[in-house]
Parts: sequence; structure tokens; C-alpha cells
Amino acid sequence: GAVVSQHPSWVICKSGTSVKIECRSLDFQATTMFWYRQFPKQSLMLMATSNEGSKATYEQGVEKDKFLINHASLTLSTLTVTSAHPEDSSFYICSAPNDRGGRATQYFGPGTRLLVL
Amino acid sequence: KNQVEQSPQSLIILEGKNCTLQCNYTVSPFSNLRWYKQDTGRGPVSLTIMTFSENTKSNGRYTATLDADTKQSSLHITASQLSDSASYICVVTYSGTYKYIFGTGTRLKVLA
Repeated sequence: GAVVSQHPSWVICKSGTSVKIECRSLDFQATTMFWYRQFPKQSLMLMATSNEGSKATYEQGVEKDKFLINHASLTLSTLTVTSAHPEDSSFYICSAPNDRGGRATQYFGPGTRLLVL
Repeated sequence: KNQVEQSPQSLIILEGKNCTLQCNYTVSPFSNLRWYKQDTGRGPVSLTIMTFSENTKSNGRYTATLDADTKQSSLHITASQLSDSASYICVVTYSGTYKYIFGTGTRLKVLA
């Protein structure tokens, strides 16, 4: 149980285009989801917290107009990278917390690799 | 400052050998500590979780320890396999929140 999926698993796009990444909690509801970015050989960096029914909370240094987050339902959050540039190429991972067993645990999606040409 | 530091940064061992990864943290107030395994190009997968009162937790060949007094944790891998090659991430959670403080990770390579 507690499965989180992401779509697409990888995407290649031209510079200047927008890319949408979906994160779904498959067997539980999540009022909160997290979006991370990971560069090669580095740890995950929290970008923003997605809140169902309200605005996302962005970490310091993350441009909210560039990384649009929409938490449309209790099982779906989307991250849109607008006007993508090569420096946005990275591995994007979402997670959804669940209180199973009384311990708040984040369940991670498989990640989406974005390559901007 | 709330930090989680891991050592070593990288490690190479032969198949069948044991190894121990270290994690030191300064996160307060502490809620729990987790070890995750992340294969290249995949999302992290939980291995163990320990609260303040737990000092050891096993999951198959993985055994995690926690010393809440010294704020140190270790992950011991027994009889390593090629499939153990991955990054191992120590994660500490603040009390009362879902937010994770990630360690820098240890990249383990198991050779045949």
C-alpha cells in the first residue's frame, strides 16, 4: 500500500516550452504533497509543499511563477515547469505523506527526469 | 542549524561483505529518523524508521541503530549483494511535521 505514481517518467523538451508533471497517490488521500528536485550525486532538495484547496508553499529561492503547482484533488498534484531552460534539467520527485501506523511517512514517487534542450 | 550529515560520502565493497553507514544529526525537536534506499533514477524507498525510544530496527539484511543522546544513527548492511548498490539517505523529521531534513547520502557500490 501507500503507492505514489508520477507521470511522465521522463520528458525531453525544447527550451521555452512548458512541461507538466503529475503526482498521484494511488491508494490513499493526501491533502499535502511535496515536490523535490535532485541534481546528479546530490540529495533531494525540497522545492515546494502542495496543499489541496489552497496555494502551494515555496521554499526560499524557488520561483513560484516558474514552477506552478496545482493540487487539484486529494490524490493529484501537478508541477508545471514554465518556459523551461536547460538549467531546469533535473530529476523531479514528488512525495505524499501518510499516517499509516501512526508515523507520518512520506511515500515517494518514482521520479520524472526532465531534459531541456 | 538543523542538519543531517552522513559518512562516508561513497563506499565500495565486495559482494558478501558487511558495511556500516553513519548519520549524525542536529535536528530539534526530533521526531523520528528514517533510512531510505535510492536506486539511480528512482525515488527513495523506506528501509527503516525509528522514534526517540527505539535504538535498533531491522529489515532483512539492513539493521539501523539510533543513539538519541549522541544524535547518531548507523545503517548496517549484512552480506551485501550487487543489488545493494544505491544511495542511502538518512532523513530526520521534526516533531509535529511531515517535513524531512535530508542527509547528504552515501553512495554504495557493491562489486562482484
